[in-house]
Amino acid sequence: QKEVEQNSGPLSVPEGAIASLNCTYSDRVSQSFFWYRQYSGKSPELIMSIYSNGDKEDGRFTAQLNKASQYVSLLIRDSQPSDSATYLCAVGNTGGGNKLTFGTGTQLKVEL
Amino acid sequence: GAGVSQSPSNKVTEKGKDVELRCDPISGHTALYWYRQSLGQGLEFLIYFQGNSAPDKSGLPSDRFSAERTGGSVSTLTIQRTQQEDSAVYLCASSLFQTGNTIYFGEGSWLTVV
Repeated sequence: QKEVEQNSGPLSVPEGAIASLNCTYSDRVSQSFFWYRQYSGKSPELIMSIYSNGDKEDGRFTAQLNKASQYVSLLIRDSQPSDSATYLCAVGNTGGGNKLTFGTGTQLKVEL
Repeated sequence: GAGVSQSPSNKVTEKGKDVELRCDPISGHTALYWYRQSLGQGLEFLIYFQGNSAPDKSGLPSDRFSAERTGGSVSTLTIQRTQQEDSAVYLCASSLFQTGNTIYFGEGSWLTVV
């Protein structure tokens, strides 16, 4: 079982729709959770971080965390073609320091 | 500096040669990480530093890989006797040490072994 799992996609949504990206993790005591966006040929950039159960909103982005279900998601409202990228879920382990374990990413395509 | 700086940005090397990849983290960031990303794959953790020490080097794929950090700043990842399967983007990142702090990535060093 992979430590952080994501559907590889591609996930295709029409412009203006809500894109929903999902991630599950295996380490029950993980404490920090991140969503990174990666455009083709570029390095990952942080979109959202979340540390406690519930929702966290930032502009068009909402991160949702459910530690009991070991599940974290990212919602993108009013999706734009510029949102087309690979979205990486990352989980912070509890072994000290700040090492992140990444999923393999979900490719999102926002179609005109 | 303003961001994580990596060099070289691109490197083509012959199989069997040694390569060195350099990372200059964000000023004041005590933690430094190396990840590897093969084409179409996720990020694979290699090693992280807290200051000059490496508490976790569990991701280094073989003894051909080594890394060091001096002065709590610049880090060098060395790959000896490169193989074609070493071809990947090597990403360096840095953060403040405490768990939960944001990790910021450099633009990566694209390594091609021919």
